[in-house]
Amino acid sequence: QVQLQESGPGVVKPSETLSLTCTVSGGSIISYYWSWIRQPPGKGLEWIGYIYYSGSTNYNPSLKSRVTISVDTSKNQFSLKLNSVTAADTAIYFCARVLPSGSYRLFDYWGQGTLVTVSS
Amino acid sequence: DIQMTQSPSSLSASVGDRVTITCRASQSISTYLSWFQQKPGKAPKFLIYAATSVLSGVPSRFSGGGSGTDFALTISSLQPEDFATYYCQQTYSTPWTFGQGTKVEIK
Repeated sequence: QVQLQESGPGVVKPSETLSLTCTVSGGSIISYYWSWIRQPPGKGLEWIGYIYYSGSTNYNPSLKSRVTISVDTSKNQFSLKLNSVTAADTAIYFCARVLPSGSYRLFDYWGQGTLVTVSS
Repeated sequence: DIQMTQSPSSLSASVGDRVTITCRASQSISTYLSWFQQKPGKAPKFLIYAATSVLSGVPSRFSGGGSGTDFALTISSLQPEDFATYYCQQTYSTPWTFGQGTKVEIK
């Protein structure tokens, strides 16, 4: 059974960089896309971006100037960095596996989510 | 960006009711539409992909339909464990976008 677990600081100061890691267990990181999604408290879901295991990335244009997603296949992990954060970046951050099925993309496994609060 | 609009935003229903949630895309997305269920404090759970394909293990009372711009999620007989918020998502083109959610509450 594939499991994903987010880790990282729960509080980040304004203007600093939010850094999260997602550790994948029970399966390989190879041959899948890996994505980050966030959800402000009480609100809807926003896709942040994805990385393919080979390292190619695709980011939401609304965040593209501030986001970097990277992958470490040796550790079965992928990571998110979001710089210059503000209070608007306060959210639950989820990592997810994206299964390619033909031309479809299936968000089939998710981490439990981690709340990151931007506050001084 | 493709905008996804769900209706209603919330609904109240009783156990055993048939419930339909609709999702409209701002442009045609063929059948690149998924549905998720989210309960409070939990990650979204993947239910349906390709508009109509129900994931293995998802109860048969869940079904999806539609193509192009108009889609629907139907729960044929609402069960107590189905009270949750449901989201649609398009993966036709990036940025992949979600609907705003539909909260299904107990009547």
